Amino acid sequence: ETGVTQSPTHLIKTRGQQVTLRCSSQSGHNTVSWYQQALGQGPQFIFQYYREEENGRGNFPPRFSGLQFPNYSSELNVNALELDDSALYLCASSLSYNEQFFGPGTRLTVL
Amino acid sequence: GQQLNQSPQSMFIQEGEDVSMNCTSSSIFNTWLWYKQDPGEGPVLLIALYKAGELTSNGRLTAQFGITRKDSFLNISASIPSDVGIYFCAGRGGDTGTASKLTFGTGTRLQVTL
Repeated sequence: ETGVTQSPTHLIKTRGQQVTLRCSSQSGHNTVSWYQQALGQGPQFIFQYYREEENGRGNFPPRFSGLQFPNYSSELNVNALELDDSALYLCASSLSYNEQFFGPGTRLTVL
Repeated sequence: GQQLNQSPQSMFIQEGEDVSMNCTSSSIFNTWLWYKQDPGEGPVLLIALYKAGELTSNGRLTAQFGITRKDSFLNISASIPSDVGIYFCAGRGGDTGTASKLTFGTGTRLQVTL
């Protein structure tokens, strides 16, 4: 059974640029959630996708958007990057509202 | 965004000692979870609790879901060096009005000395 995978591992962007992060869910899972973890903090919920539809959103601006594909993999897109967007972005997959299992994360640095 | 309060913030203990940490919230949750995160990795689920008052064990780990549904604690018995890491509590459902998101705590950093 393959766990949650994320790509890329690390990424460096400059302010104003756009970024796309990718996540492959664990086999048998149909739900993907995205979290932002700033240095020294706990993860903060961005949004969740269930069957290709957004199913809950945290306090993040519209420039954070996402997609889920028919194979349940997902993308997180962030437009107009700001310095404060520098963080570890975590993807978690689950079977509906069952427990969430996390990937290793993508470390985004905005200069 | 909201973060749950965890204490202690960090702790240094000797190998073989028992460890206790707790997590409190102003909101009621239907599920409490405990995760461990190693440097450069994502959180790994340790224990899940689904009912107020529930006490659950996983090897040397024991966790309890508080009666008020606003708190939880985690105990680690006979600590070993690989217990080093950051422990996060997380709550789901209840007052948050949604079962979709996890609300995480601020974390407890555990360091074990030989």
